[in-house]
Amino acid sequence: TQLLEQSPQFLSIQEGENLTVYCNSSSVFSSLQWYRQEPGEGPVLLVTVVTGGEVKKLKRLTFQFGDARKDSSLHITAAQPGDTGLYLCAGAGGANNLFFGTGTRLTVIP
Amino acid sequence: DAGITQSPRYKITETGRQVTLMCHQTWSHSYMFWYRQDLGHGLRLIYYSAAADITDKGEVPDGYVVSRSKTENFPLTLESATRSQTSVYFCASSGGTGTSGGQALFYNEQFFGPGTRLTVL
Repeated sequence: TQLLEQSPQFLSIQEGENLTVYCNSSSVFSSLQWYRQEPGEGPVLLVTVVTGGEVKKLKRLTFQFGDARKDSSLHITAAQPGDTGLYLCAGAGGANNLFFGTGTRLTVIP
Repeated sequence: DAGITQSPRYKITETGRQVTLMCHQTWSHSYMFWYRQDLGHGLRLIYYSAAADITDKGEVPDGYVVSRSKTENFPLTLESATRSQTSVYFCASSGGTGTSGGQALFYNEQFFGPGTRLTVL
């Protein structure tokens, strides 16, 4: 099992604040995805990063893949209540398996 | 309606009973997956299928059986339900894999169904 650890597990912040969520592993991944999940629904893909050191921006969200392809971070600028949800990272280690992290539950307070 | 659907959305059963969870997708995606989601464990892969009649085990396959006679359907059966199988089950599909430098990658977007909340008493 290729373990992906996310931190923090829970995060509660005020609207307008910035935050960073981390996804770490001792394993190397060929690619890494970030998903957001809202209550009662399945996860929805936010981004895929493939190259070590890659940085992708999606409006106020910035995703980075570590140089060694073992870790990733998600930074949200000026968080809004609509950002509330469970954020999951998922690493592709081999040909077919996708390993999910334990998730970070974010609450943005208006 | 287009998309990926799961049924039932909620199920309560008793220990020892057989339960089948259904998953249907309308995109003709080649890959389909079953995950379970539990507090503290995130999403764990149970089984996946690369195409009709091709299935393979994931991280936690024990106690589960899958089949895929048609591309659009991927049912998951608990042959004899146990309390430890109480969980939320998600089905997902994707269009397939890509390659980079000759190595297969598995990064195509996975589309998830709404989930089935299963309680085993």
